Amino acid sequence: DVKVTQSSRYLVKRTGEKVFLECVQDMDHENMFWYRQDPGLGLRLIYFSYDVKMKEKGDIPEGYSVSREKKERFSLILESASTNQTSMYLCASRRQGALAEAFFGQGTRLTVV
Amino acid sequence: AQSVSQHNHHVILSEAASLELGCNYSYGGTVNLFWYVQYPGQHLQLLLKYFSGDPLVKGIKGFEAEFIKSKFSFNLRKPSVQWSDTAEYFCASKGGRRALTFGSGTRLQVQP
Repeated sequence: DVKVTQSSRYLVKRTGEKVFLECVQDMDHENMFWYRQDPGLGLRLIYFSYDVKMKEKGDIPEGYSVSREKKERFSLILESASTNQTSMYLCASRRQGALAEAFFGQGTRLTVV
Repeated sequence: AQSVSQHNHHVILSEAASLELGCNYSYGGTVNLFWYVQYPGQHLQLLLKYFSGDPLVKGIKGFEAEFIKSKFSFNLRKPSVQWSDTAEYFCASKGGRRALTFGSGTRLQVQP
């Protein structure tokens, strides 16, 4: 079974803090993704990575950055957390190829106060 | 840019009722389509996917979806829902980029 593990289920951070969300997958997938999930808006793509050290902006990258130093790990960084970044963050991975499905982690619910 | 529209935001059904959730996508090229489900407190799971061939796709737990290219639609159906189908359902497309584009989701509540 593919496993995508996010380091925290719940996080509470203060405005202005630097926040790291970690994600690890165990199936040697090339592609990894960060989405945020908000009620009524569905999942919106923040960033994705298709190889180590390679990244592309998604639809809502402002205020975020990412790091992929190892194939299995993909980190989302909030340089200076703001209250409008309070959300559920979902990490996903998938192998190359159009037929491949995406596998998701349990999510990290981040609250910025 | 690609987009996926789900017009039903919240659906309430009684057990044994039939279900149809709408999904429309915008990508004009070759597209791959997916339905994911998120049960309360759980991670997203794949229900079914369409790539080519038979436009009627069968998935897990009795779900199916029909791809209608002329309507840019990929509606999800189930003939008889159960209380355990209570969940949020997301339609997604993959067109010209590596990542999936998701719709806004439909929250299904099945009453016993």
